[in-house]
Amino acid sequence: GAGVSQSPSNKVTEKGKDVELRCDPISGHTALYWYRQRLGQGLEFLIYFQGNSAPDKSGLPSDRFSAERTGESVSTLTIQRTQQEDSAVYLCASSSRGPSYNEQFFGPGTRLTVL
Amino acid sequence: AQSVTQPDIHITVSEGASLELRCNYSYGATPYLFWYVQSPGQGLQLLLKYFSGDTLVQGIKGFEAEFKRSQSSFNLRKPSVHWSDAAEYFCAVGVRGNTPLVFGKGTRLSVIA
Repeated sequence: GAGVSQSPSNKVTEKGKDVELRCDPISGHTALYWYRQRLGQGLEFLIYFQGNSAPDKSGLPSDRFSAERTGESVSTLTIQRTQQEDSAVYLCASSSRGPSYNEQFFGPGTRLTVL
Repeated sequence: AQSVTQPDIHITVSEGASLELRCNYSYGATPYLFWYVQSPGQGLQLLLKYFSGDTLVQGIKGFEAEFKRSQSSFNLRKPSVHWSDAAEYFCAVGVRGNTPLVFGKGTRLSVIA
Protein backbone atom coordinates (compact mmCIF):
# COMPACT_ATOMS: atom_id res chain seq x y z
CA GLY A 1 0.00 0.00 0.00
CA ALA A 2 0.94 3.61 -0.38
CA GLY A 3 0.81 4.54 3.26
CA VAL A 4 0.06 3.44 6.78
CA SER A 5 -3.46 2.13 7.16
CA GLN A 6 -5.50 1.67 10.31
CA SER A 7 -8.76 -0.05 11.06
CA PRO A 8 -11.39 0.54 12.09
CA SER A 9 -11.53 4.27 11.45
CA ASN A 10 -14.11 4.64 14.20
CA LYS A 11 -14.97 2.41 17.12
CA VAL A 12 -17.69 2.93 19.68
CA THR A 13 -17.73 0.56 22.61
CA GLU A 14 -19.24 0.21 26.02
CA LYS A 15 -17.25 0.64 29.18
CA GLY A 16 -15.70 -2.64 30.26
CA LYS A 17 -15.48 -4.17 26.78
CA ASP A 18 -12.22 -5.11 25.08
CA VAL A 19 -11.20 -3.51 21.78
CA GLU A 20 -8.59 -4.29 19.14
CA LEU A 21 -7.13 -1.68 16.85
CA ARG A 22 -5.13 -2.64 13.80
CA CYS A 23 -2.24 -0.98 12.01
CA ASP A 24 -0.69 -1.92 8.67
CA PRO A 25 2.65 -0.13 8.27
CA ILE A 26 4.35 0.81 5.05
CA SER A 27 5.93 -2.26 3.53
CA GLY A 28 9.59 -2.57 4.50
CA HIS A 29 9.38 -0.25 7.47
CA THR A 30 11.04 -1.88 10.45
CA ALA A 31 9.85 0.53 13.13
CA LEU A 32 6.23 0.90 14.22
CA TYR A 33 4.83 3.27 16.81
CA TRP A 34 1.51 3.68 18.57
CA TYR A 35 0.46 7.09 19.88
CA ARG A 36 -2.69 8.30 21.60
CA GLN A 37 -4.24 11.71 21.02
CA ARG A 38 -6.83 12.80 23.54
CA LEU A 39 -9.08 15.73 22.82
CA GLY A 40 -7.15 18.99 22.87
CA GLN A 41 -3.88 17.24 23.58
CA GLY A 42 -0.76 16.40 21.65
CA LEU A 43 0.25 12.88 20.84
CA GLU A 44 1.34 10.63 23.68
CA PHE A 45 3.70 7.77 22.92
CA LEU A 46 2.35 4.35 23.86
CA ILE A 47 4.58 1.61 22.47
CA TYR A 48 7.33 1.17 19.88
CA PHE A 49 8.48 -1.85 17.89
CA GLN A 50 11.84 -1.98 16.12
CA GLY A 51 12.46 -5.06 14.04
CA ASN A 52 12.81 -8.17 16.16
CA SER A 53 13.91 -6.31 19.28
CA ALA A 54 11.81 -6.31 22.43
CA PRO A 55 9.23 -3.52 22.18
CA ASP A 56 9.52 -0.34 24.20
CA LYS A 57 6.36 -0.40 26.31
CA SER A 58 7.29 2.51 28.52
CA GLY A 59 4.39 4.68 27.34
CA LEU A 60 1.56 2.25 28.02
CA PRO A 61 -0.67 3.91 30.62
CA SER A 62 -1.83 0.74 32.36
CA ASP A 63 -1.71 -3.04 32.13
CA ARG A 64 -5.04 -2.93 30.31
CA PHE A 65 -3.09 -1.84 27.23
CA SER A 66 -1.02 -4.25 25.18
CA ALA A 67 0.24 -4.53 21.64
CA GLU A 68 1.61 -7.18 19.37
CA ARG A 69 3.41 -7.09 16.07
CA THR A 70 3.86 -9.93 13.64
CA GLY A 71 7.40 -9.74 12.32
CA GLU A 72 7.76 -6.45 10.52
CA SER A 73 4.15 -6.22 9.44
CA VAL A 74 0.78 -5.65 11.02
CA SER A 75 0.36 -4.59 14.63
CA THR A 76 -2.62 -4.82 16.94
CA LEU A 77 -3.23 -2.61 19.95
CA THR A 78 -5.56 -4.16 22.50
CA ILE A 79 -7.32 -2.32 25.28
CA GLN A 80 -9.00 -4.52 27.84
CA ARG A 81 -11.88 -3.47 30.07
CA THR A 82 -12.12 -0.08 28.38
CA GLN A 83 -12.74 3.02 30.47
CA GLN A 84 -14.16 6.36 29.41
CA GLU A 85 -10.75 7.99 29.75
CA ASP A 86 -9.53 5.67 26.98
CA SER A 87 -11.60 7.66 24.50
CA ALA A 88 -9.10 9.15 22.07
CA VAL A 89 -7.70 8.91 18.58
CA TYR A 90 -5.11 6.17 18.36
CA LEU A 91 -2.46 6.85 15.75
CA CYS A 92 0.02 4.43 14.28
CA ALA A 93 3.22 5.41 12.51
CA SER A 94 6.03 3.55 10.81
CA SER A 95 9.54 4.39 9.71
CA SER A 96 12.42 2.73 7.95
CA ARG A 97 15.78 1.84 9.43
CA GLY A 98 18.73 4.11 8.74
CA PRO A 99 21.79 5.80 10.17
CA SER A 100 19.95 8.98 11.02
CA TYR A 101 16.54 9.88 12.32
CA ASN A 102 13.94 8.60 9.95
CA GLU A 103 10.64 10.25 9.17
CA GLN A 104 7.63 8.68 10.79
CA PHE A 105 4.67 8.25 8.48
CA PHE A 106 1.33 8.37 10.23
CA GLY A 107 -1.89 6.57 9.54
CA PRO A 108 -5.28 8.31 9.67
CA GLY A 109 -5.99 6.99 13.15
CA THR A 110 -8.77 5.12 14.89
CA ARG A 111 -11.22 7.23 16.85
CA LEU A 112 -12.26 5.27 19.94
CA THR A 113 -15.30 6.32 21.93
CA VAL A 114 -16.05 4.55 25.18
CA LEU A 115 -19.58 5.09 26.40
CA ALA B 1 13.33 14.03 29.80
CA GLN B 2 12.71 16.11 26.76
CA SER B 3 9.58 18.23 26.42
CA VAL B 4 7.97 20.48 23.84
CA THR B 5 5.95 23.62 24.53
CA GLN B 6 3.63 25.28 22.07
CA PRO B 7 2.47 28.37 23.96
CA ASP B 8 -0.40 29.27 21.64
CA ILE B 9 -3.41 26.98 21.80
CA HIS B 10 -5.35 28.79 19.08
CA ILE B 11 -4.36 31.46 16.58
CA THR B 12 -6.58 33.27 14.10
CA VAL B 13 -5.09 35.06 11.11
CA SER B 14 -6.53 36.73 8.05
CA GLU B 15 -5.99 35.14 4.69
CA GLY B 16 -2.88 36.63 3.12
CA ALA B 17 -1.37 37.65 6.44
CA SER B 18 1.89 36.26 7.74
CA LEU B 19 2.02 33.52 10.34
CA GLU B 20 4.40 32.44 13.08
CA LEU B 21 3.73 29.48 15.34
CA ARG B 22 5.96 29.13 18.34
CA CYS B 23 7.71 26.04 19.60
CA ASN B 24 10.17 25.67 22.46
CA TYR B 25 11.85 22.46 23.49
CA SER B 26 13.73 21.24 26.49
CA TYR B 27 16.65 18.91 25.87
CA GLY B 28 20.31 18.88 26.82
CA ALA B 29 21.64 18.55 23.30
CA THR B 30 20.40 19.47 19.86
CA PRO B 31 17.43 17.28 19.07
CA TYR B 32 15.87 16.38 15.79
CA LEU B 33 12.99 18.84 15.25
CA PHE B 34 9.79 18.43 13.29
CA TRP B 35 6.60 20.27 12.42
CA TYR B 36 3.53 18.25 11.49
CA VAL B 37 0.13 19.42 10.30
CA GLN B 38 -3.15 17.64 10.98
CA SER B 39 -6.20 18.60 8.99
CA PRO B 40 -9.64 17.63 10.32
CA GLY B 41 -10.14 13.90 10.07
CA GLN B 42 -6.69 13.39 8.60
CA GLY B 43 -3.49 11.86 9.81
CA LEU B 44 -0.36 13.86 10.47
CA GLN B 45 1.65 15.17 7.57
CA LEU B 46 5.26 16.22 7.92
CA LEU B 47 5.81 19.87 6.97
CA LEU B 48 9.52 20.09 7.61
CA LYS B 49 12.35 18.79 9.76
CA TYR B 50 15.68 19.95 11.14
CA PHE B 51 18.54 17.56 11.75
CA SER B 52 21.66 19.71 11.41
CA GLY B 53 23.27 22.33 9.20
CA ASP B 54 21.45 25.41 7.98
CA THR B 55 19.19 26.63 10.75
CA LEU B 56 16.54 27.90 8.34
CA VAL B 57 14.62 24.97 6.96
CA GLN B 58 12.22 25.03 4.04
CA GLY B 59 9.23 22.73 3.96
CA ILE B 60 6.18 21.94 1.94
CA LYS B 61 3.25 24.28 1.28
CA GLY B 62 5.44 27.37 1.59
CA PHE B 63 6.32 26.85 5.26
CA GLU B 64 9.70 27.43 6.80
CA ALA B 65 11.12 27.12 10.31
CA GLU B 66 14.16 28.51 12.04
CA PHE B 67 16.14 26.66 14.68
CA LYS B 68 17.57 28.96 17.33
CA ARG B 69 19.79 27.06 19.71
CA SER B 70 20.18 29.98 22.13
CA GLN B 71 16.41 30.17 22.57
CA SER B 72 15.70 26.43 22.29
CA SER B 73 13.11 27.36 19.70
CA PHE B 74 11.95 26.08 16.36
CA ASN B 75 9.25 28.49 15.20
CA LEU B 76 7.20 27.83 12.09
CA ARG B 77 6.52 30.66 9.64
CA LYS B 78 4.63 31.35 6.47
CA PRO B 79 4.65 34.72 4.71
CA SER B 80 1.11 34.54 3.35
CA VAL B 81 -1.53 32.23 4.79
CA HIS B 82 -4.15 30.54 2.64
CA TRP B 83 -7.56 29.41 3.84
CA SER B 84 -6.49 25.80 3.27
CA ASP B 85 -3.80 26.20 5.95
CA ALA B 86 -6.46 26.05 8.66
CA ALA B 87 -5.49 22.98 10.67
CA GLU B 88 -3.77 21.81 13.85
CA TYR B 89 0.01 22.18 13.91
CA PHE B 90 2.28 20.08 16.07
CA CYS B 91 5.92 20.58 16.90
CA ALA B 92 7.85 17.43 17.83
CA VAL B 93 11.27 16.41 19.07
CA GLY B 94 13.27 13.26 18.50
CA VAL B 95 16.46 12.56 20.35
CA ARG B 96 18.11 9.66 18.55
CA GLY B 97 17.51 7.32 15.69
CA ASN B 98 14.05 5.89 15.37
CA THR B 99 12.92 6.58 18.90
CA PRO B 100 9.39 7.85 19.53
CA LEU B 101 8.72 11.52 19.05
CA VAL B 102 7.72 13.86 21.85
CA PHE B 103 4.96 16.20 20.73
CA GLY B 104 3.73 19.56 21.85
CA LYS B 105 0.02 19.97 22.54
CA GLY B 106 -0.54 21.66 19.21
CA THR B 107 -1.68 25.03 17.94
CA ARG B 108 -4.98 25.29 16.13
CA LEU B 109 -4.87 27.74 13.25
CA SER B 110 -8.02 29.42 11.99
CA VAL B 111 -7.98 31.51 8.83
CA ILE B 112 -10.55 34.22 8.23
CA ALA B 113 -11.36 36.09 5.07
